[in-house]
Amino acid sequence: EIVMTQSPATLSVSPGEGATLSCRASQSVNVYLAWYQQKPGQAPRFLMYDGSTRATGVPARFSGSRSGTEFTLSISSLQSEDFAVYYCLQYHSWPLTFGGGTKVEIK
Amino acid sequence: EVQLWESGGGLVQPEGSLRLSCAASGFTFGNYALGWVRQAPGRGLDWVSAISSDGGTTNYADSVRGRFTISRDNSRNTLYLQMNSLRADDTAVFYCAKIVGSGTYYNLFDSWGQGTLVTVSS
Repeated sequence: EIVMTQSPATLSVSPGEGATLSCRASQSVNVYLAWYQQKPGQAPRFLMYDGSTRATGVPARFSGSRSGTEFTLSISSLQSEDFAVYYCLQYHSWPLTFGGGTKVEIK
Repeated sequence: EVQLWESGGGLVQPEGSLRLSCAASGFTFGNYALGWVRQAPGRGLDWVSAISSDGGTTNYADSVRGRFTISRDNSRNTLYLQMNSLRADDTAVFYCAKIVGSGTYYNLFDSWGQGTLVTVSS
């Protein structure tokens, strides 16, 4: 099983500032990494796939990158609607595995 | 617009059974794989199971293999999850989710239902 480790667990950011979230895979997942956003009481929202390709309708302030087994989700100039929990998912192999999540909270 | 509605959740005693359903609309149901993802109270997302577009291939998390069975009825646009031998640690919101592909590659979720709560308790 591929273990996905997200850091930090919580990120405190002021509105308008940028945020950088990390997701590390325990072994290679190639580019097969997706990001999801979840707000309290809501279902997850699909943000990004293949590490860096935004899903339809996702604002350009969200960007993704990859360096080996380390993936990064960057959010430039956080808006109020961006404060949420973010999860990564590897879909390289079964079982599919999620990271533990990063909560982006208002500072 | 893709829509997924889960139903069938509720309170069940340990070792009991429950069958979840997920009715879908807004896409060609038989062309896409589907899956179930759960979230225990206050916890993260946990993949449970997935089924290919034609129902011929299924995958399960180790924690549910042998207890849960995923199936689909493409004539009714409905996904199912039969859950047997339920345990307290199965308590969670269960989400039905559409997979991007048919089940061979690109097994990531692009649309989610609102979830149904399963509580296992005596």
